[in-house]
Amino acid sequence: NAGVMQNPRHLVRRRGQEARLRCSPMKGHSHVYWYRQLPEEGLKFMVYLQKENIIDESGMPKERFSAEFPKEGPSILRIQQVVRGDSAAYFCASSPRQGRHTEAFFGQGTRLTVV
Amino acid sequence: DAKTTQPPSMDCAEGRAANLPCNHSTISGNEYVYWYRQIHSQGPQYIIHGLKNNETNEMASLIITEDRKSSTLILPHATLRDTAVYYCIVQGNTGNQFYFGTGTSLTVIP
Repeated sequence: NAGVMQNPRHLVRRRGQEARLRCSPMKGHSHVYWYRQLPEEGLKFMVYLQKENIIDESGMPKERFSAEFPKEGPSILRIQQVVRGDSAAYFCASSPRQGRHTEAFFGQGTRLTVV
Repeated sequence: DAKTTQPPSMDCAEGRAANLPCNHSTISGNEYVYWYRQIHSQGPQYIIHGLKNNETNEMASLIITEDRKSSTLILPHATLRDTAVYYCIVQGNTGNQFYFGTGTSLTVIP
């Protein structure tokens, strides 16, 4: 029973390039959450998706960032025209349902470095 | 938005109980308290959660005060592998996202 799988684990991009981060939720989980962790800080919520739908994107930067969770395949967090300030660890979590009485399980993260 | 307050760091002797406090004075009646930990920049690991009753599982116990304004996570016999940053979290209004604060950095000392 594999956990939440994120790839790549490490990603290096030059300023102006695009970064694509992938997240495969746990089997049976249809809810996906993305978080960003800047160095020496806590995790910040970015976006919550359910299959083919964005439910809550209140934590997403207004520009350059987008997320999707297609019917088939992993969830993708896409960052266009990356800048140095995008360097961070990006974590994905999944849960089997929504609601207050539901724990989420996290992947090991993708560490993005923008050079 | 974090809604919780935790001490930035704590030490605990190996084999002793580690008691990690958390204040969440603005918690509303239907919001759960969750605890996660993050070991050395790995993905956060779920520990336990509760609403108003005390909870216990194989990892820890969660004690929530009667007024629900604070809680304590108890690791009954701390080991060196419990050294981590511990996050006390109150779920968002829709229950769909977690607001992480800066957590408590617990160091278990041999």
